[in-house]
Amino acid sequence: GQQVMQIPQYQHVQEGEDFTTYCNSSTTLSNIQWYKQRPGGHPVFLIQLVKSGEVKKQKRLTFQFGEAKKNSSLHITATQTTDVGTYFCAEIQGGSEKLVFGKGMKLTVNP
Amino acid sequence: EPEVTQTPSHQVTQMGQEVILRCVPISNHLYFYWYRQILGQKVEFLVSFYNNEISEKSEIFDDQFSVERPDGSNFTLKIRSTKLEDSAMYFCASSDRDQNTGELFFGEGSRLTVL
Repeated sequence: GQQVMQIPQYQHVQEGEDFTTYCNSSTTLSNIQWYKQRPGGHPVFLIQLVKSGEVKKQKRLTFQFGEAKKNSSLHITATQTTDVGTYFCAEIQGGSEKLVFGKGMKLTVNP
Repeated sequence: EPEVTQTPSHQVTQMGQEVILRCVPISNHLYFYWYRQILGQKVEFLVSFYNNEISEKSEIFDDQFSVERPDGSNFTLKIRSTKLEDSAMYFCASSDRDQNTGELFFGEGSRLTVL
């Protein structure tokens, strides 16, 4: 079945740096969701994007949905140690009940 | 803030034993899910449940697995005869699909260790 691909799988940044992670699909996505999982924790919903070209911001986090709805990005400005965790993109496939997760991007931050 | 609760937080069992994992979804939610996550890997869909029946299941959810909503609050996952490869964190989630965000609310998980 279709799976969203996340790149990179691992990212290590210095505190204060910006970084961007990507979620790509070979087919058009009906929507995209982003979740964050802290080490030892459970997935926590961050955002859902539905419209082509949509951009949403949450404080230092900026989420974007591509014009062709085949990719999405998460940009974090001035990373902090509290940003540590694994970020998953996920899609609820059209006509389906299931939310399908990507493999995730594990972020570590050097203080 | 309402939350999904799961018990037990950790269960250790012998291979071949039956295990029941319990979940209390958020009270006004109508859609319920089980996911699993093998250590360090991605979150995998197992099953979705709506209107007292399974609405969708993955290829992982074979005859050894079953779900039940025995009363108005609990949602359980049963593994009839556990295998070593069933060792994972099992997350229950619920949602109100009528809300605009499409958010799934996850519980803190039940870690299953099969020896």
